[in-house]
Amino acid sequence: AQSVTQLGSHVSVSEGALVLLRCNYSSSVPPYLFWYVQYPNQGLQLLLKYTTGATLVKGINGFEAEFKKSETSFHLTKPSAHMSDAAEYFCASGGYQKVTFGTGTKLQVIP
Amino acid sequence: DTAVSQTPKYLVTQMGNDKSIKCEQNLGHDTMYWYKQDSKKFLKIMFSYNNKELIINETVPNRFSPKSPDKAHLNLHINSLELGDSAVYFCASSIGVGTPYEQYFGPGTRLTVT
Repeated sequence: AQSVTQLGSHVSVSEGALVLLRCNYSSSVPPYLFWYVQYPNQGLQLLLKYTTGATLVKGINGFEAEFKKSETSFHLTKPSAHMSDAAEYFCASGGYQKVTFGTGTKLQVIP
Repeated sequence: DTAVSQTPKYLVTQMGNDKSIKCEQNLGHDTMYWYKQDSKKFLKIMFSYNNKELIINETVPNRFSPKSPDKAHLNLHINSLELGDSAVYFCASSIGVGTPYEQYFGPGTRLTVT
């Protein structure tokens, strides 16, 4: 069974600082991995995904994530936070049919 | 031009009532989903349909009944509503079944049971 752990339910960064949101997965087979973002009162939208191939994945809005099999991690980063990045971020892992979501990390950006 | 739409956006009702939430997607996708997001933002899949056929049915009380009249619609009917049903319900769709495919989410329906 797939499971996803997001470390830190709340992360605060200053505007312009590095954003690092942590995600670890457990899977008995190579997983599909996703990061979704949820802005207040909206549905989730895909930031990026890893299926196969290059382990460094670039997404929208300047975000990227690196798949590290040895660490079972898929951390999300952005070099410089912007006020508009304030949102809830969900890491997700997929097996055959079902995607399992982590519990989410709320990113606060301080001016 | 909304890709995945849900109605209503807000639903306030009393315990014991029956209510429905409607979902429509205009993306031409084959697979649709219902998710429940609780007050702690935990997102859990409830159902998934592919070409009107039920393919995922998680451990959900049988008071919840999904119905897919066609590929573009997936409705959720809830009987005998309970306080614990209060949550945000999201509909989503993807081009195919299987997890490599990106899911497109609707804006959510906030259900409050009093």
